[in-house]
Formats: sequence, structure tokens, C-alpha cells
Amino acid sequence: GAGVSQTPSNKVTEKGKYVELRCDPISGHTALYWYRQSLGQGPEFLIYFQGTGAADDSGLPNDRFFAVRPEGSVSTLKIQRTERGDSAVYLCASSLREGLEQYFGPGTRLTVT
Amino acid sequence: GQQVMQIPQYQHVQEGEDFTTYCNSSTTLSNIQWYKQRPGGHPVFLIQLVKSGEVKKQKRLTFQFGEAKKNSSLHITATQTTDVGTYFCAGLIYGGATNKLIFGTGTLLAVQP
Repeated sequence: GAGVSQTPSNKVTEKGKYVELRCDPISGHTALYWYRQSLGQGPEFLIYFQGTGAADDSGLPNDRFFAVRPEGSVSTLKIQRTERGDSAVYLCASSLREGLEQYFGPGTRLTVT
Repeated sequence: GQQVMQIPQYQHVQEGEDFTTYCNSSTTLSNIQWYKQRPGGHPVFLIQLVKSGEVKKQKRLTFQFGEAKKNSSLHITATQTTDVGTYFCAGLIYGGATNKLIFGTGTLLAVQP
């Protein structure tokens, strides 16, 4: 079946604007993860959903970041009042359940000017 | 905080030479996963190790999990140009209610034909 998809693939926004990044996981995967990856670094954990609920949001850097997964499938990562330091590739991954291998999407490259 | 370090950061080899990357965690891990990320791509799952002292092989790749479940290694025999990419270990750490995957810093492998 289809893999994890993310939209948009690229997003350029001005400092202070609001952005939404979307993730469509593999069908049937209950666990969904958001990561942020800067150049030359490993993926940095942001938030983990089990079903509709955020089971672990300890990686969100501050209250400008928020994510939802209202129906237990598609998830949206929302960033308010974007800052230049938010520029990175935002990766989404899903797995059949917690602890198993994760399947990553192609990422959204966010550039804040 | 919880950290997963990898060495070396970068390795350049001639095609046919062997390559090893080492992964060390400050915390005991529930399991360790390895991912490969090609330049411009997203992380792709390679393997998962769960048991203390476990060794697994995938063709030319050999993965080990340390006895204390705090370190791991990936060894590639007779590298090929297709092995180029960044190799990440990712440790699954129990965080109270959930398990969280903490990615290592990665080792970038360059293979000269």
C-alpha cells in the first residue's frame, strides 16, 4: 500500500506567520510521530500520538508548537508565530504500534524568512 | 537529558573497505533500531535489536546490541557505492507511560569507487 505522505513538500513563510504541516500515515498504523531534522543532525523527537491522543508531547520546543490527530489517522503539526530558528525538515513517521519500526514520510522543508 | 551518541561523525572509505559505526546511550534501552538516510532522502528502517548481546546480519551488514543494552554497532563488510548515506541508531527509551525513540547523531558514510 501507500507509504507515509506529507504535504506540502516545501513551505516558505515569513517570520511571525502561522503554518500547518500535514501527515497522512500508513493505513492501520496506530502510532504516529513527528520529528524535526536540521542539517547534519539526527531526527529530533517532537510528539507521539497513539490513536487520537498525544501520548508524549515532551519534545515540543515551546507553546508555539501544537499537533492534532482528531480521527486517529491524519495529523497536523501547527506552528504559530514562526521564527527563523524553526527552519528545518519536519518528518512524520508511523508504526503499527509503539516500539516497532517506524516508516517515515518524505518530510516538509520549512523555511522561515 | 537522554542522549544517544555515534562515532565517527563522518567516514570516507574506498569501495571494498569495511566500515563500522558505534552507538552509545546514556540510558539503558528497551531496544535499538538502525536507519539509513540517503542524501536528500528520509530515514529508512534497517533492523531492530531487542535482546542483550543480540547479533543480526543482513547480507554485508552486521548489527550488535551490547550486553548492557546501552551500546550498539553496525559493521559493513566490503562497502559498495550503494552504501553511501547517513546511518542512524535510534534507542527506544521507556519514558514512564510511553516509549520514545531517541535518534543518534548519525554517521555519514562516503564511499569512493
